[in-house]
Amino acid sequence: GQQVMQIPQYQHVQEGEDFTTYCNSSTTLSNIQWYKQRPGGHPVFLIQLVKSGEVKKQKRLTFQFGEAKKNSSLHITATQTTDVGTYFCGSNFGNEKLTFGTGTRLTIIP
Amino acid sequence: IAGITQAPTSQILAAGRRMTLRCTQDMRHNAMYWYRQDLGLGLRLIHYSNTAGTTGKGEVPDGYSVSRANTDDFPLTLASAVPSQTSVYFCASSHSGANVLTFGAGSRLTVL
Repeated sequence: GQQVMQIPQYQHVQEGEDFTTYCNSSTTLSNIQWYKQRPGGHPVFLIQLVKSGEVKKQKRLTFQFGEAKKNSSLHITATQTTDVGTYFCGSNFGNEKLTFGTGTRLTIIP
Repeated sequence: IAGITQAPTSQILAAGRRMTLRCTQDMRHNAMYWYRQDLGLGLRLIHYSNTAGTTGKGEVPDGYSVSRANTDDFPLTLASAVPSQTSVYFCASSHSGANVLTFGAGSRLTVL
């Protein structure tokens, strides 16, 4: 079936270090969406990428969509304690349902 | 405040009992979804509805049913709960299918 693989499952970083999570698919993606879920909270939409090679930035967050539209990454520069949470990627594979990756849980060591 | 309301927030349920999780949105979104979240498995789609009167099966539909009688409400029913249905359930909606999702706060269900 259509799946989005996300790695790593967990990441522990010292505050101030960078963090990256990756999503990969065996099939071409029509789009990629990224969500953040704070501990005890619900997923909140961050961004959507649709174009091959697209790069978008939100302050310290950089989102990339691969040239082949089969992978994506989220990079956080100089992590802060407010970045703690689980980051999910998802794609609809051209249909009406959004399929998510398993998520990357980020913890920050002060 | 516009958004999605889920109820109950949490529930402990005996196996074999029937349970309905409620979801209401006031954003006039056409599409609604139910996901379950389990550690290590991420968010898995149970059922969805593209518009009032239609529903579809997601990745893990067995043991669950939904209805969409109107635009605002999308209840999820467990006809006979089993312990493997212990999870956090999130309702979500979007303006149209595959668009950006807005999630509710979640319902934590424990089946004993």
